[in-house]
Amino acid sequence: KAGVTQTPRYLIKTRGQQVTLSCSPISGHRSVSWYQQTPGQGLQFLFEYFSETQRNKGNFPGRFSGRQFSNSRSEMNVSTLELGDSALYLCASRVGSRGHEQYFGPGTRLTVT
Amino acid sequence: QQQVKQSPQSLIVQKGGIPIINCAYENTAFDYFPWYQQFPGKGPALLIAIRPDVSEKKEGRFTISFNKSAKQFSLHIMDSQPGDSATYFCAAAIKAAGNKLTFGGGTRVLVKP
Repeated sequence: KAGVTQTPRYLIKTRGQQVTLSCSPISGHRSVSWYQQTPGQGLQFLFEYFSETQRNKGNFPGRFSGRQFSNSRSEMNVSTLELGDSALYLCASRVGSRGHEQYFGPGTRLTVT
Repeated sequence: QQQVKQSPQSLIVQKGGIPIINCAYENTAFDYFPWYQQFPGKGPALLIAIRPDVSEKKEGRFTISFNKSAKQFSLHIMDSQPGDSATYFCAAAIKAAGNKLTFGGGTRVLVKP
């Protein structure tokens, strides 16, 4: 089975722009979560989607949003980028909506200049 | 509020040694405790996970010990190899609350040949 794929792998944006990142979960997995990883804050939960519905949200400003499509693929969007948004954005997928192992993709490295 | 505290931040051992990484949590509602391994440029990979009703779990050379009363758990890497050099993260979740993982700060392990 193919793992979680994320595109693009690297991205450079300018402050004030917006960005959309994409995640394709493992085939058969219906739950997708997004995490932000930075040297200072570590790994932080952004949000979780299951069956196209947001099930859980972390403590991030409204500039961070996401969605999930009927094929379980997910996108996250960050509007009005700030320098502090530079991070590795990780997507994780899981079979169901509760209590089982999550599998991470390789991440998208976003640099905001 | 950091709900999962991980120590040490870094660790150097000789090949064959046993790196030990410790984590402590605050929220007694946590009931799922996974460990992840991350290599540079890769997403975290699930190593092993434990539930609070189990005091120890082994998978290959990786062992988790769990102390519910102390709200602590630890990872031992038996017979460590240079290929085990990576950053290790502990995490905690409330399975009924969905996908959200709360991560520790990470431990960078270097195994010298």
